[in-house]
Amino acid sequence: QSVLTQPPSASGTLGQRVTISCSGSRSNIGSNTVNWYQQFPGTAPKLLIYSHNQRPSGVPDRFSGSKSGTSASLAISGLQSEDEADYYCASWDDVLLGPAFGGGTKLTVL
Amino acid sequence: QVQLQQWGAGLLKPSETLSLTCAVSGESFRNYYWSWIRQSPGKGLEWIGDIHHSGLANYHASLKSRVTISIDTSNDVFSLRLTSVTAADTALYFCARVRVAAGRACFDNWSQGTLVTVSS
Repeated sequence: QSVLTQPPSASGTLGQRVTISCSGSRSNIGSNTVNWYQQFPGTAPKLLIYSHNQRPSGVPDRFSGSKSGTSASLAISGLQSEDEADYYCASWDDVLLGPAFGGGTKLTVL
Repeated sequence: QVQLQQWGAGLLKPSETLSLTCAVSGESFRNYYWSWIRQSPGKGLEWIGDIHHSGLANYHASLKSRVTISIDTSNDVFSLRLTSVTAADTALYFCARVRVAAGRACFDNWSQGTLVTVSS
């Protein structure tokens, strides 16, 4: 059972906009920054969004993040086939005294 | 561009000790936290612990009694040691750099990962 809650799956068609939610609590998302990772099978996760809505260099602006209260969301606009991957949210947890991850969302591009 | 290269034994028997090392190159080793994260087959990510270049280490509460993370700043490497492994420790283990300015749940560079299997 992950500390942060994500839907196990999401899907969208080419060009569509999809969002992936991440629900937490006051001890994590409610009081700390949220980061998102993209992972393809057999590879290491890649930092996609940090500090709620910042993109590392090289990440397309089709990816965006937001936070409201104890929840966060990752939005992908103009969905492309290469976006098919697993997505994880993460945030520091003040009770665990460590990073907490979501269980991951498998995005399928139809 | 920082690079993380890890190595260590990939097959262990129950009760043995897992030992992995991660070498950092391409950027200064100092002023960062360095972390170990694992991913059980088909499952999500789990933080194991991290260490500052000063040597200050922090561990996941559930693993604290079995884990040690150490650092060698003269050689730009840090290591993971997990004792008394069981099948539940079978996972893909990653080392990663922590982008502290964005919080200690922000890992901006990752190694390729090492699959560690615990089996009798």
